[in-house]
Amino acid sequence: NAGVMQNPRHLVRRRGQEARLRCSPMKGHSHVYWYRQLPEEGLKFMVYLQKENIIDESGMPKERFSAEFPKEGPSILRIQQVVRGDSAAYFCASSPRLAGQEETQYFGPGTRLLVL
Amino acid sequence: AQKVTQAQTEISVVEKEDVTLDCVYETRDTTYYLFWYKQPPSGELVFLIRRNSFDEQNEISGRYSWNFQKSTSSFNFTITASQVVDSAVYFCALRRVTGSSNTGKLIFGQGTTLQVKP
Repeated sequence: NAGVMQNPRHLVRRRGQEARLRCSPMKGHSHVYWYRQLPEEGLKFMVYLQKENIIDESGMPKERFSAEFPKEGPSILRIQQVVRGDSAAYFCASSPRLAGQEETQYFGPGTRLLVL
Repeated sequence: AQKVTQAQTEISVVEKEDVTLDCVYETRDTTYYLFWYKQPPSGELVFLIRRNSFDEQNEISGRYSWNFQKSTSSFNFTITASQVVDSAVYFCALRRVTGSSNTGKLIFGQGTTLQVKP
């Protein structure tokens, strides 16, 4: 059973470009969380999605960041007009369902974004 | 407000020593979950343990053990007879019970970097 997959693993962008980060949850998982890890810091929640729905985006910056989880295909975290401060590791986690309170989030390997 | 504090930024030990990583949390909820994750140098996050707030039994898994004390809001992690492969950043995290306003997001501590020297 494949784990959470993220691609690309490393992404280099110049200031002003767009970054697209992809996350394929574990098989059978329909809940996706995105977290950001700035250098030398812990992980901070960004957004929580279910298929075709954004459930909680309280951690997303107000501008330039968006996320989606379409009916088919991976979840996408999109950063428009990147700035150097966006350089970080972006982790995706998935869980099977929320109704069961004991669900654990399993993380992907992360995407390291470097903005030049 | 929910908060997780890992006061130890870095710990360095020599192989075979025991080491304890501290985690203190803050929450007003009576029911919640606590987690530990390991981030080795390769960068991925590896799930280690989940603990329900109603279950205060200590847990042991091989060389790993966890001490959950609700009275002091602590969930400490001990590695016995440490090995070089234990070198990593360890994160403690808190999750509220999901409900109409709680969506299950994890609240992480800052992490403790453990270096085990041969």
